[in-house]
Amino acid sequence: DQQVKQNSPSLSVQEGRISILNCDYTNSMFDYFLWYKKYPAEGPTFLISISSIKDKNEDGRFTVFLNKSAKHLSLHIVPSQPGDSAVYFCAVITSGTYKYIFGTGTRLKVLA
Amino acid sequence: SQTIHQWPATLVQPVGSPLSLECTVEGTSNPNLYWYRQAAGRGLQLLFYSVGIGQISSEVPQNLSASRPQDRQFILSSKKLLLSDSGFYLCAWSGDYLFTGELFFGEGSRLTVL
Repeated sequence: DQQVKQNSPSLSVQEGRISILNCDYTNSMFDYFLWYKKYPAEGPTFLISISSIKDKNEDGRFTVFLNKSAKHLSLHIVPSQPGDSAVYFCAVITSGTYKYIFGTGTRLKVLA
Repeated sequence: SQTIHQWPATLVQPVGSPLSLECTVEGTSNPNLYWYRQAAGRGLQLLFYSVGIGQISSEVPQNLSASRPQDRQFILSSKKLLLSDSGFYLCAWSGDYLFTGELFFGEGSRLTVL
């Protein structure tokens, strides 16, 4: 039973354009959401997060949007750079618990 | 600053052999500790987490086990490896936040079972 889904296994974007990565979740009890970036043979690195009291959080080129009614979050990267090519995971958690649940990941390729 | 290390980085083991992966965190106390696995072409699967010494929660039935003998040490073990245990294992920690915070990962350990 997949509680967190990233329905696009891969995405290709031209350098300089916007990359949009999507994530859907099923449980309305999740109230903290995170995005991670992962290169091959390395541990994931934290990118940006958002709590359920907000609908947008911005950090430089990265913006996360949360639509609680649709149980959907997205990560926007603009402008996209070749160094952004990696696998991106969304993760969710319910405050007061300890279980971070990850999606299946989306492989982003930014074309020069 | 906080750091997390896990070893070995790469391991090739025969089926039926034992396993021990070790993870330590520096620069923080009473962290929450986690083991995740990334199987080929799949997402990050939570295997175990621990909120204190000797406290282990298991998320999936398997032939793996975890132990936390010290506050900042987390060990993943198996008595007899299966082919299906192959994958990329990741240790992670989070702080004892009043509000939920980020999860920080180690470098990963690649396990190949032959």
